[in-house]
Amino acid sequence: EAGVTQFPSHSVIEKGQTVTLRCDPISGHDNLYWYRRVMGKEIKFLLHFVKESKQDESGMPNNRFLAERTGGTYSTLKVQPAELEDSGVYFCASSLGWRNTIYFGEGSWLTVV
Amino acid sequence: GESVGLHLPTLSVQEGDNSIINCAYSNSASDYFIWYKQESGKGPQFIIDIRSNMDKRQGQRVTVLLNKTVKHLSLQIAATQPGDSAVYFCAWRNRDDKIIFGKGTRLHILP
Repeated sequence: EAGVTQFPSHSVIEKGQTVTLRCDPISGHDNLYWYRRVMGKEIKFLLHFVKESKQDESGMPNNRFLAERTGGTYSTLKVQPAELEDSGVYFCASSLGWRNTIYFGEGSWLTVV
Repeated sequence: GESVGLHLPTLSVQEGDNSIINCAYSNSASDYFIWYKQESGKGPQFIIDIRSNMDKRQGQRVTVLLNKTVKHLSLQIAATQPGDSAVYFCAWRNRDDKIIFGKGTRLHILP
């Protein structure tokens, strides 16, 4: 069974550009999460989807970040325009139910220069 | 506020010895705690979890201990191996299903 997959694995963009990260959760997992870790700090929660609905987006840092999950399958996280402080690794995770184990992807490593 | 943190940022352990990684939490209403392992360039990997109605849970070479009185969580790794080198995160899940991570402890294995 395939795990959580993320694309791209690494991305280097210039300040002001746009980047879109994609996450494919484990098949059948209704719950999808986005987290990020910047500058060696803690892994921080960004938002949580249940199917196509945003259950909790309290961790989104500002309106430059937009997450979507049309159709309740894969999800995208767009950063527009990117700033230097957005550099870090963005993790996607999924779980079958809201009380089940959460499995993480390998992460998308973003560098903004 | 609620927080989860770690006592030591880096832990060096001789290969073959047991490792103990600690985590302190405060003011938590969570009933579920998790340990994750993150190897270089990879995402967090689930190791073991424990619910608040338990104080100990064992897995393969790993044991998690929960002391609710002092709000302390620990991960014990028996017979530490080179492949155990990683950053270990404690985390807890709150009632909103949000996982909160601690800062992480890097485990370094000495030959």
